[in-house]
Amino acid sequence: GNSVTQMEGPVTLSEEAFLTINCTYTATGYPSLFWYVQYPGEGLQLLLKATKADDKGSNKGFEATYRKETTSFHLEKGSVQVSDSAVYFCALSDRTGGSNYKLTFGKGTLLTVNP
Amino acid sequence: NAGVMQNPRHLVRRRGQEARLRCSPMKGHSHVYWYRQLPEEGLKFMVYLQKENIIDESGMPKERFSAEFPKEGPSILRIQQVVRGDSAAYFCASSPRSGESSEAFFGQGTRLTVV
Repeated sequence: GNSVTQMEGPVTLSEEAFLTINCTYTATGYPSLFWYVQYPGEGLQLLLKATKADDKGSNKGFEATYRKETTSFHLEKGSVQVSDSAVYFCALSDRTGGSNYKLTFGKGTLLTVNP
Repeated sequence: NAGVMQNPRHLVRRRGQEARLRCSPMKGHSHVYWYRQLPEEGLKFMVYLQKENIIDESGMPKERFSAEFPKEGPSILRIQQVVRGDSAAYFCASSPRSGESSEAFFGQGTRLTVV
């Protein structure tokens, strides 16, 4: 079956530090990959996505590259801000079998950025 | 345009009671998905509904859980005779079209506590 493993948190950084949150996956088909973010008190929001190998998703200074050879989709940001404090979820949807509406999530990583 | 609205945000039930969780999708969205997040785990798919139809309920527990999305009104996730193991965060998402996981918008979730 499909699964997503992301680094456990919590992660605490100082403002302007470099961020990496690791994410690896296993999938029976050829998945699309996503990062979602949940700010305090809010629902999950799509942060970025990639649909094929070597694609790079980017948004708000965050980036992640779809690496098929290492089955990874690590999230990076060069300089974090206090406002980036949130829980980050890596997810995939498997496009085979007609159930690409179904997302498989990692456990989430809590990021806290201190001023 | 209001986002996906879930209520209540927090729900406390005694063992054996019924829990009813409501989800109003975004305007114009006719596809609804329910996910459950148990403590220390990622979100897990439960059920996918369109108006008046259950499309995929492969993630729903076989007993005590049911979901509906009537022609009028919100989607309801109903848990009968709750047990402590049902304590979790329940998230609803909606999308304008089927099979478009990346366009699903999530609500803030309902946190169910069974005492």
